[in-house]
Amino acid sequence: DSGVTQTPKHLITATGQRVTLRCSPRSGDLSVYWYQQSLDQGLQFLIQYYNGEERAKGNILERFSAQQFPDLHSELNLSSLELGDSALYFCASGTEKFNNEQFFGPGTRLTVL
Amino acid sequence: AQSVAQPEDQVNVAEGNPLTVKCTYSVSGNPYLFWYVQYPNRGLQFLLKYITGDNLVKGSYGFEAEFNKSQTSFHLKKPSALVSDSALYFCAVSGNTGGFKTIFGAGTRLFVKA
Repeated sequence: DSGVTQTPKHLITATGQRVTLRCSPRSGDLSVYWYQQSLDQGLQFLIQYYNGEERAKGNILERFSAQQFPDLHSELNLSSLELGDSALYFCASGTEKFNNEQFFGPGTRLTVL
Repeated sequence: AQSVAQPEDQVNVAEGNPLTVKCTYSVSGNPYLFWYVQYPNRGLQFLLKYITGDNLVKGSYGFEAEFNKSQTSFHLKKPSALVSDSALYFCAVSGNTGGFKTIFGAGTRLFVKA
């Protein structure tokens, strides 16, 4: 158990809908990362927050947004969902602002029908 | 731009034999290199990292990795494979450029046969 929690574990929704994925980092970790894992795209970095502020941005679509709250938990919002958004979404946390090892949560499996 | 390559989609090895999972990278400046393992239906688990110092890095579960600057490689190794090592292995790189993002390789699936 990495100490990173993600809810929900599974999410099934329809195209065009909006969902929110939640992540609680390990105690003491200030960095939160979001990744998308799909069979054809591999593990794609979406975005990183450090102590409430956006730190780095990857291949995140404009339909997606995230934030990190004062208690350090983070939410990833996915809107106008498309079939291609079906994937595993992982949250990871780390102690440093950059260049540190990351501890991954169990993931949220999103299925868009 | 940073990049990392895992040239083998799959590695097959017999239990008890040594294993190597290959990784090469490209990054400006000094690299920060990582290996992670993913078991089915689980998140990635950190195995080991190289930041500076000794080129041979020891990590969890008996794994080690060798940093080779001239070949820009960071291969994962284990002297004696176990069936329970069968999993998906990811190499990752970050650095002081490119916005400090961590880039993951495509992953290599390791099969250890009893």
